[in-house]
Amino acid sequence: AQRVTQPEKLLSVFKGAPVELKCNYSYSGSPELFWYVQYSRQRLQLLLRHISRESIKGFTADLNKGETSFHLKKPFAQEEDSAMYYCALSGGGKLIFGQGTELSVKP
Amino acid sequence: EAGVVQSPRYKIIEKKQPVAFWCNPISGHNTLYWYLQNLGQGPELLIRYENEEAVDDSQLPKDRFSAERLKGVDSTLKIQPAELGDSAVYLCASSLGGSSNEQFFGPGTRLTVL
Repeated sequence: AQRVTQPEKLLSVFKGAPVELKCNYSYSGSPELFWYVQYSRQRLQLLLRHISRESIKGFTADLNKGETSFHLKKPFAQEEDSAMYYCALSGGGKLIFGQGTELSVKP
Repeated sequence: EAGVVQSPRYKIIEKKQPVAFWCNPISGHNTLYWYLQNLGQGPELLIRYENEEAVDDSQLPKDRFSAERLKGVDSTLKIQPAELGDSAVYLCASSLGGSSNEQFFGPGTRLTVL
């Protein structure tokens, strides 16, 4: 079965601290993985995708097929990073989302 | 550009009443998606259109939900009759084609069924 798991509903860190949002997936084929973000009062938007191998707003994510993970990382969190983050898997022509992790960055 | 447009933004109805949501995707996007997002959950696909054809409606509860995209542009999602458990946010998204491409989301319609 295709599934995305984000084990943390809430992650709270202080400004300047490193942050890692966990994402594990279950997929039988070759996966395409994404991170979407929703800032307060804004619509859901793409943050990054694994095939791009790029850093967006200081965030990076590496696909680890052995551990079936796609964790999102940032070395120094900023207050403006506070948002809901959703990991998503592209499979069968659709996106399968995880439950989301709320990141709260405190001053 | 306005992006994906949805209306209404909020809707409150009593159970057993009908309700409809409208979505206008980004111009030129031939793929349109309707998602259901329950509180504390990620979006779940209800139906996907490629132009005017519904290519994946396996998760759409067809006893009460229906959708259409007659001219391959804007789309309507309907619930009749609504139940208490239908209270959720209904999201519309569009893309140039295929789930590998970036999906652009609308602001959603928050439905409350009393």
